[in-house]
Amino acid sequence: QSALTQPASVSGSPGQSITISCTGTSSDVGSHNSVSWYQQHPGKAPKLMISDVSNRPSGVSNRFSGSKSGNTASLTISGLQAEDEADYYCSSDTSSSTLVVFGGGTKLTVL
Amino acid sequence: EVQLLESGGGLVQPGGSLRLSCAASGFTFSSYAMTWVRQAPGKGLEWVSGISGSGGRTYHADFVKGRFTISRDNSKNTLYLQLNSLRAEDTALYYCAKDYVGNIPDTFDVWGQGTMVTVSS
Repeated sequence: QSALTQPASVSGSPGQSITISCTGTSSDVGSHNSVSWYQQHPGKAPKLMISDVSNRPSGVSNRFSGSKSGNTASLTISGLQAEDEADYYCSSDTSSSTLVVFGGGTKLTVL
Repeated sequence: EVQLLESGGGLVQPGGSLRLSCAASGFTFSSYAMTWVRQAPGKGLEWVSGISGSGGRTYHADFVKGRFTISRDNSKNTLYLQLNSLRAEDTALYYCAKDYVGNIPDTFDVWGQGTMVTVSS
């Protein structure tokens, strides 16, 4: 069982917006701003999409945005495109002896 | 170009050992924390171990329980992960990753392609 909870799947049509949630606890998401989001296409290495809750690394489309409220972080993708179809993972620092925890991943399907 | 190239994976019997390596290029290796993340077949990402840029501080996931050791040789721009007492549940693709901004291995902006570790008799 993953430390952070994500929906197993979400879907949307091209042009629409979707949001993926990432729910943790007061020991991770709720007390740390080192929340990141990664995109992984099949057979490929993950790609950093969002760091520190809401910062977009250089080269990442501004269609991707992140936010956090309490123990839940969120990734929003606006103007869905076919190439956005992938698995998405959140991660957070944690106050436990394990430094970083990941979510279980969410499969995004673009209809 | 920033690159990470993992090696050292393979088939090993339960209880056996392996040493994974990750050769880095295209950036000042010693300035960045580094991390190992694994992914079991068809499963999600799992953080394994991290190390500061100098190598003076290491971090391990609870499930490692002293079986794995992360280290680095900054003179060789290489990251290592020594895997001991391997179990079937350690079977996974092991990625090395570079930290995005600095000395805490918690955000990963460059990833290798991974090296597969299979634990089976």
